[in-house]
Amino acid sequence: SSELTQDPAVSVALGQTVRITCQGDNLRSYYASWYQQKPGQAPILVIFGKNNNRPSGIPDRFSGSSSGHTASLTITGAQAEDEADYYCCSRDSSDNHRVFGGGTKLTVL
Amino acid sequence: QVQLQESGPGLVKPSGTLSLTCAVSGASISSTNWWSWVRQPPGKGLEWIGEVYHSGSTNYNPSLKSRVTLSVDKSKNHFSLRLSSVTAADTAVYYCARVVWNAYYYLDVWGKGTTVTVSS
Repeated sequence: SSELTQDPAVSVALGQTVRITCQGDNLRSYYASWYQQKPGQAPILVIFGKNNNRPSGIPDRFSGSSSGHTASLTITGAQAEDEADYYCCSRDSSDNHRVFGGGTKLTVL
Repeated sequence: QVQLQESGPGLVKPSGTLSLTCAVSGASISSTNWWSWVRQPPGKGLEWIGEVYHSGSTNYNPSLKSRVTLSVDKSKNHFSLRLSSVTAADTAVYYCARVVWNAYYYLDVWGKGTTVTVSS
């Protein structure tokens, strides 16, 4: 299967740590990339590959990891501005198609 | 600084063809990057449409492949999307994005998106 599964919604208390997961068979072969999308805005890349690769400007409280068929995005010390939708993306087994997860809505309480 | 800007009609009639262009500034479309389109129906998640290389090579979402054509115009430094036989289900915000495809695959620069409504 080339699908990626995410929990629809997750909440976290301000300043606490939250992990957002993405599951799919493709993740056994390929690393996920993660995108943050705030209402009315385009997605932005927050994590890619392994070893917590972050584009410049992305705070180091964002980190990524992968194990088996699960990729995870962790926010350590969540801030109010982290409230957003988060999407994972990966290649499929053919490496000619890409797929996004259904997205996780993060609420910071 | 690399910037992408989508443009095209905001309203398309059912059974018609949706045509969008993504202008690239701050980078050459003939670089080693691929160039991608992603869409988002109202209130829903992101859907990968496809990607194109400056050579003309393409990869398409299997669910859209019969209706999608992606192309590159190197002289104008832009790339384009054509989606034929559109229905209301094609109503969405359409984003273009730059692909980095090496050891990893990711979309590192996105346009702001353009809303396309399919309606008579």
